[in-house]
Amino acid sequence: SQQGEEDPQALSIQEGENATMNCSYKTSINNLQWYRQNSGRGLVHLILIRSNEREKHSGRLRVTLDTSKKSSSLLITASRAADTASYFCATDTRNNNDMRFGAGTRLTVKP
Amino acid sequence: DARVTQTPRHKVTEMGQEVTMRCQPILGHNTVFWYRQTMMQGLELLAYFRNRAPLDDSGMPKDRFSAEMPDATLATLKIQPSEPRDSAVYFCASGFSTDSYSYEQYFGPGTRLTVT
Repeated sequence: SQQGEEDPQALSIQEGENATMNCSYKTSINNLQWYRQNSGRGLVHLILIRSNEREKHSGRLRVTLDTSKKSSSLLITASRAADTASYFCATDTRNNNDMRFGAGTRLTVKP
Repeated sequence: DARVTQTPRHKVTEMGQEVTMRCQPILGHNTVFWYRQTMMQGLELLAYFRNRAPLDDSGMPKDRFSAEMPDATLATLKIQPSEPRDSAVYFCASGFSTDSYSYEQYFGPGTRLTVT
């Protein structure tokens, strides 16, 4: 069963704009991870945020985590056409200690 | 540049045939995951192993699917007999985990399976 739920399901923006994607989950977590998938390829790990962290940065990526609301957001600043992909959140749940992925957000960045 | 490898990359087979997919995890990783991805169901966890021991295969149809790790360098996923509804992309991923914590996963390129 899926643990994370991404929102929105699809997002279309112009190059240079910022893109924000959200993830909600149900149970307590050890960490939350964001992945990117280009069409026809495997997923690529972007960033991991631990349950005791509130914000993390990596290049143009900014991830926030609110454990009280069981939600996370991924912000991509100054988007590029190459950022076009599907983005997934995955949670390392404390009870199962496995990784559960959401359905993903399909991001399209128009040049 | 270490990466997860999967074979075959593409497989077309007829209903009722056996399908075997192979995965070579990254050396040093102790955890291997098998996922199935379809448009309708998204990314589903089928099974995962830690230190070659199966930890969870509850996502796998037991009557036709089986997953094994004969050694630390090879994980296999078998479907016997295959059915058209098994058509999907199957991903293997490896990473490092403990009893209480999982780190990032590294995905292979996937096996695209078509069952006619």
